[in-house]
Amino acid sequence: QSALTQPRSVSGSPGQSVTISCTGTSSDVGGYNYVSWYQHHPGKAPKLMIYDVSKRPSGVPDRFSGSKSGNTASLTISGLQAEDEADYYCCSYAGRYIHYVFGTGTKVTVL
Amino acid sequence: QVQLVESGGGVVQPGGSLRLSCAASGFIFSTYHMHWVRQAPGKGLEWVSFIPSDGRGQLYADSVKGRFTISRDNSKNTLYLQMNSLSADDTAVYYCATENPAVLKSFDYWGQGTLVTVSS
Repeated sequence: QSALTQPRSVSGSPGQSVTISCTGTSSDVGGYNYVSWYQHHPGKAPKLMIYDVSKRPSGVPDRFSGSKSGNTASLTISGLQAEDEADYYCCSYAGRYIHYVFGTGTKVTVL
Repeated sequence: QVQLVESGGGVVQPGGSLRLSCAASGFIFSTYHMHWVRQAPGKGLEWVSFIPSDGRGQLYADSVKGRFTISRDNSKNTLYLQMNSLSADDTAVYYCATENPAVLKSFDYWGQGTLVTVSS
């Protein structure tokens, strides 16, 4: 099972919006509404930002939003802030044999 | 607050074994499903294994099936990962993570990880 495809890096100035794509197949992203997104500052514990494609856990700012179309999911960060600079990973449930597959990861840089 | 603390990592020779532990606090451990996820140096995250809240019906990634065993002790609020027949490909930071039974198929809390290095 191959990793989901994410852009290696995206960047934006404070206040701008950035969108990270996460492309899979009909066996993972396209087949289930179980896409989640994680923020990871190196050396720290990853943090859940979005689950079930578009739901935000309590405490996650509404600047973070998720969506899905076909086999591609997206995470949008609006009103970019310096503390948003981190690595972001998508993850999809992939059924009873593969179980879970993560994305390749995207480094978000705040200019 | 939820706290997950991994331990047991270290340097091990190829073919060796290691047991990781994840001490949980701040939530009702016995009601949460648990996972192990790893990250090799310079690489992305990789799901490794799952165990439901009652400990029955473990799941594994193909890359570790037959070599790793996940278990839990709900009386001690602790998750384990027994790793055998280790190879250089298993070198990674290993994270434990929770799966809220009310919010399935995502990992809502993570520990800070423990580093496993397989090297001669």
